[in-house]
Amino acid sequence: AQTVTQSQPEMSVQEAETVTLSCTYDTSENNYYLFWYKQPPSRQMILVIRQEAYKQQNATENRFSVNFQKAAKSFSLKISDSQLGDTAMYFCAFLGGSQGNLIFGKGTKLSVKP
Amino acid sequence: DSGVTQTPKHLITATGQRVTLRCSPRSGDLSVYWYQQSLDQGLQFLIQYYNGEERAKGNILERFSAQQFPDLHSELNLSSLELGDSALYFCASSVDWGYEQYFGPGTRLTVT
Repeated sequence: AQTVTQSQPEMSVQEAETVTLSCTYDTSENNYYLFWYKQPPSRQMILVIRQEAYKQQNATENRFSVNFQKAAKSFSLKISDSQLGDTAMYFCAFLGGSQGNLIFGKGTKLSVKP
Repeated sequence: DSGVTQTPKHLITATGQRVTLRCSPRSGDLSVYWYQQSLDQGLQFLIQYYNGEERAKGNILERFSAQQFPDLHSELNLSSLELGDSALYFCASSVDWGYEQYFGPGTRLTVT
């Protein structure tokens, strides 16, 4: 069974600085996808970024980028130039195997301080 | 706005009752997923439908059921409600497997 682990329950960063959130996963699948979702205090789940396992190039979306290490089964999220609006829970999620559902980690609560 | 709509936003009901949560997927999306988010269990997958057919089941209780209609909207039925069923219930939709899943705003269910 696939598992997703986020080892940092809480993190904080100063506004305009860079922060990296960690995620590791376990799977025997070769074809899968990884995602980061953001959940602000409004509780809406917002897709941040997506990575296909078959792609070596790390995904980037504006200030958000990932460091995907397939052999190490690691998928970290880097947020550059942190903004107050980045304050949220961040969930790492895995999609693979025969089922189409996402498997989520327990989340990292990120606080951006002014 | 993800394009996925869910109603109602909030629901307060008593133990033993039955409720129905409704979801409309994004235009063009054929897959609908239901997830439950609670404090102790985190985000848990309940069930998936694809173009009207059940495709996968997760940790869904027998008291819970769902369906997807020909117009692709989906309903999640929760019956014989217990205090522990209090949670945020999300619906998500995607084009198909491997594509991004976009989440609705959720329905907050409180069972008293």
